Amino acid sequence: SQTIHQWPATLVQPVGSPLSLECTVEGTSNPNLYWYRQAAGRGLQLLFYSVGIGQISSEVPQNLSASRPQDRQFILSSKKLLLSDSGFYLCACQGGEFMNTEAFFGQGTRLTVV
Amino acid sequence: AQRVTQPEKLLSVFKGAPVELKCNYSYSGSPELFWYVQYSRQRLQLLLRHISRESIKGFTADLNKGETSFHLKKPFAQEEDSAMYYCALNGGNTDKLIFGTGTRLQVFP
Repeated sequence: SQTIHQWPATLVQPVGSPLSLECTVEGTSNPNLYWYRQAAGRGLQLLFYSVGIGQISSEVPQNLSASRPQDRQFILSSKKLLLSDSGFYLCACQGGEFMNTEAFFGQGTRLTVV
Repeated sequence: AQRVTQPEKLLSVFKGAPVELKCNYSYSGSPELFWYVQYSRQRLQLLLRHISRESIKGFTADLNKGETSFHLKKPFAQEEDSAMYYCALNGGNTDKLIFGTGTRLQVFP
């Protein structure tokens, strides 16, 4: 089955600093990849999704960006963090060579911007 | 546009009581519907999907296309069912996977 590695688990960053969260996938190729933000009362908000290398769709206007430099690598970035970027970020994968529509999730990253 | 609605943020029941977590969706085609669950300190994971038509941990969910609903049901709740439950919709292999806002289920002894 597919495995998602996401790091770091927790991160405290000052306002204005850059951000890079990384997610890698094992056990499949050519998956759909997702970045979500999980907030109490707001559920899982889809931030970005990608169906292939270099193909990124953004769902909401924000201070963040995403990139997919390799088939099984998905990166969430920011040039300058805002306080409002604090939250719990989840990476997920779905589909791929086995056409499995079940989504697999990483452990998540708790980001606190101070 | 794809949309998933879970009207209840919190559902509290006593052990042994029936449970129904509501989910409604909007999608122009034939979507695939899922329920995901997140237990305390664990990763979000798949509970069941409508195409499987199976019961997982006593939970079932039937897709009602007429009412565009996919409610999750269990006849007798257990304390270990306490968790966050998310309804999700996928419109196709290259379509995005979107989630509802989630319902927290609390089962009291």
